[in-house]
Amino acid sequence: QKEVEQNSGPLSVPEGAIASLNCTYSDRGSQSFFWYRQYSGKSPELIMFIYSNGDKEDGRFTAQLNKASQYVSLLIRDSQPSDSATYLCAVAANFGNEKLTFGTGTRLTIIP
Amino acid sequence: DAGVIQSPRHEVTEMGQEVTLRCKPISGHDYLFWYRQTMMRGLELLIYFNNNVPIDDSGMPEDRFSAKMPNASFSTLKIQPSEPRDSAVYFCASSISEGTVEAFFGQGTRLTVV
Repeated sequence: QKEVEQNSGPLSVPEGAIASLNCTYSDRGSQSFFWYRQYSGKSPELIMFIYSNGDKEDGRFTAQLNKASQYVSLLIRDSQPSDSATYLCAVAANFGNEKLTFGTGTRLTIIP
Repeated sequence: DAGVIQSPRHEVTEMGQEVTLRCKPISGHDYLFWYRQTMMRGLELLIYFNNNVPIDDSGMPEDRFSAKMPNASFSTLKIQPSEPRDSAVYFCASSISEGTVEAFFGQGTRLTVV
């Protein structure tokens, strides 16, 4: 079993709709959770991080964490074509980013 | 700041040859990470340094891989001898321990071993 699992997609969402990306992790002791966006041929860039159960909102992005279910998700509201990318979920055992374990990513396509 | 700088951007080499990948972190960052990305395995942490000292190299696949950080502004990842299964994109990233959790990635080196 992989430590961090994501549906590889591709996930296709109409422009303006809500895109929902999901991630599960196996280490119950994990403390910090990250979402990175990676455009094709580019490097990953951090878009959200979350430590506590519940929701965290930043603009059109909302990260949701449920430690009991070992589940973290990313919602993108009012999806734009520029949101088309691969989204990587990453998990760390502590409250920093020293040792991140990444999922293999979900490829998201926003359809105009 | 120019960000994390990696060189070369692309490397094609023959099996058995030595390959050296280079990284210049963002000035002032005290953490440096080397990652490898493949379609099958995704992004994997190989090794990371704190203040130029290797902290965790448990992700280094085997003894053919070695990494050094002789000073705060330079790190290398060496593969000797290289094998076709080493073909991947290798990313270097850096971060600062105070005030932010964001790791900044370089543009990566695409390595092809034929």
